[in-house]
Amino acid sequence: DAGVIQSPRHEVTEMGQEVTLRCKPISGHDYLFWYRQTMMRGLELLIYFNNNVPIDDSGMPEDRFSAKMPNASFSTLKIQPSEPRDSAVYFCASSFENMGAGGYTFGSGTRLTVV
Amino acid sequence: GESVGLHLPTLSVQEGDNSIINCAYSNSASDYFIWYKQESGKGPQFIIDIRSNMDKRQGQRVTVLLNKTVKHLSLQIAATQPGDSAVYFCAETPNSGGYQKVTFGTGTKLQVIP
Repeated sequence: DAGVIQSPRHEVTEMGQEVTLRCKPISGHDYLFWYRQTMMRGLELLIYFNNNVPIDDSGMPEDRFSAKMPNASFSTLKIQPSEPRDSAVYFCASSFENMGAGGYTFGSGTRLTVV
Repeated sequence: GESVGLHLPTLSVQEGDNSIINCAYSNSASDYFIWYKQESGKGPQFIIDIRSNMDKRQGQRVTVLLNKTVKHLSLQIAATQPGDSAVYFCAETPNSGGYQKVTFGTGTKLQVIP
């Protein structure tokens, strides 16, 4: 398995533009997580899915952020409109139930810069 | 709120020496703890875990110690190598099964001096 695949690796966009981050989880994993990492706040959970259903989106900062998981092999995180304070590294992780946090596999992340 | 934190933001060690990375946690209900390693440009990677009914667990060159009395966790790396250079995070959850909210620490950067 190639692991959790995220695209793009780097994204530079202008303030106000729409940004879409993509994630392909490990086949067979039934949990998918979106995290944001910044120097100030560390790793923050934005939203997680179980069997493609959003379970907890309380970490999503505001309505500008949305996430979807149309099938077991694909998820997107969208920011519209983007703002400079959204600049961060966004990680996707997947896991199999009963593996808990020790079974998380993270992707390599998308580094987002909003100018 | 409850959080997991680290005492040392940066640790520099000589190649071959042992490294000790410390972590303090404040949630007394935490039952499961994990150490992650994050190399530059990559996502966090699982290193070792420990449940609250244990006080020590060993892996290959790594040992995790848990002291629930003082809510302290440490990661020991034996014979530190250049490839160990990374940021290390401790994380805690209420228990080890299924989905549990994971709280990550802020990280300690380990620099190995050749």
